[in-house]
Amino acid sequence: GENVEQHPSTLSVQEGDSAVIKCTYSDSASNYFPWYKQELGKRPQLIIDIRSNVGEKKDQRIAVTLNKTAKHFSLHITETQPEDSAVYFCAASRGGNTPLVFGKGTRLSVIA
Amino acid sequence: EPEVTQTPSHQVTQMGQEVILRCVPISNHLYFYWYRQILGQKVEFLVSFYNNEISEKSEIFDDQFSVERPDGSNFTLKIRSTKLEDSAMYFCASRVPGTGLEKLFFGSGTQLSVL
Repeated sequence: GENVEQHPSTLSVQEGDSAVIKCTYSDSASNYFPWYKQELGKRPQLIIDIRSNVGEKKDQRIAVTLNKTAKHFSLHITETQPEDSAVYFCAASRGGNTPLVFGKGTRLSVIA
Repeated sequence: EPEVTQTPSHQVTQMGQEVILRCVPISNHLYFYWYRQILGQKVEFLVSFYNNEISEKSEIFDDQFSVERPDGSNFTLKIRSTKLEDSAMYFCASRVPGTGLEKLFFGSGTQLSVL
């Protein structure tokens, strides 16, 4: 089955700097790659996703890139703000009703 | 925004006891999921449920686990005889048929502590 690895497990950045979180996946049939943000005590919230037919997607300060050949995808947050501090999870799926397989999460701390 | 509601938010139980975790999915959602997250580890898929039957389950979802939708609204996860290693945050999720996983809504979770 699918296996998703996520790095780093923790990341501290200064406010205004960029943050990059990377994930690799094992199943070449996976075609849907979402990123979730989880604030302390709250539910995971989808922040951005990408499908395998595109290589990059951007939404304001957040972008995701996908390299299908290498089977890795990354989350990029620019101009980080303290409210970006949270745990971020990547996930992968074959789509349809196939369940999401998650990475272990990255705890991002943005230092003011 | 509509929400998936989970109760209780925290559950403490003794090893060997049965627990039932409850979820109220969003009203027009028909696909339901349970995931769990052991502290410091990844979110893991347990089971998916559609049309009153299990669609898919992981190897974690053994005979100690069961799911049902007893009254058409609640979606429950039962653990028959809890073990210490069942301690985790359990998330329910749901979505509308015909929508993709990007329309998956998560509940806020139930923290299960087995003593």
